[in-house]
Amino acid sequence: GDSVTQMEGPVTLSEEAFLTINCTYTATGYPSLFWYVQYPGEGLQLLLKATKADDKGSNKGFEATYRKETTSFHLEKGSVQVSDSAVYFCALSDTGFQKLVFGTGTRLLVSP
Amino acid sequence: EAQVTQNPRYLITVTGKKLTVTCSQNMNHEYMSWYRQDPGLGLRQIYYSMNVEVTDKGDVPEGYKVSRKEKRNFPLILESPSPNQTSLYFCASSGWNQPQHFGDGTRLSIL
Repeated sequence: GDSVTQMEGPVTLSEEAFLTINCTYTATGYPSLFWYVQYPGEGLQLLLKATKADDKGSNKGFEATYRKETTSFHLEKGSVQVSDSAVYFCALSDTGFQKLVFGTGTRLLVSP
Repeated sequence: EAQVTQNPRYLITVTGKKLTVTCSQNMNHEYMSWYRQDPGLGLRQIYYSMNVEVTDKGDVPEGYKVSRKEKRNFPLILESPSPNQTSLYFCASSGWNQPQHFGDGTRLSIL
């Protein structure tokens, strides 16, 4: 079945450092890809998405490009802030965005 | 404000005592879903509903029931909770071909 693999955390960075969180996927069809963010004590919020190969999703300074050839959707940000500290989930959906398959999540800790 | 509301947010209970976690959305979404989040496993789908009176099993449905009598509500029922159902639960909703909106979560502890 479909699956998503994320790098294990925690990822610990200093403020203004460059961030990469790796995500690769396995799917039989042509899924849509997502990054969700979970701040402490809150639910998941959609951060960005891409629906086809070579699409780039972006939001709040975060970016991820749908790479079909490497089955990857790595999350990047050029300069992280303390307020970016959260858990980040990569996910895919095969069928009209209805069922999401999640990775295990990567905790990001940013220190001042 | 568009939102998915879950209640309760926290619950500690004992094995075998039936409980219900409510979920309500105000966006007129057709699709609703329940997930559980466990350390090292990410989120896994328990049940989902495509519309009123239409529900189906997700990846981990054992020990859970759901119902969808109204479009806005999708309660999760644990008829006889057991300690392995201690987890963080999320309800989500979406329209067709739209990203899912999540509630703030319900943390269940079953002793």
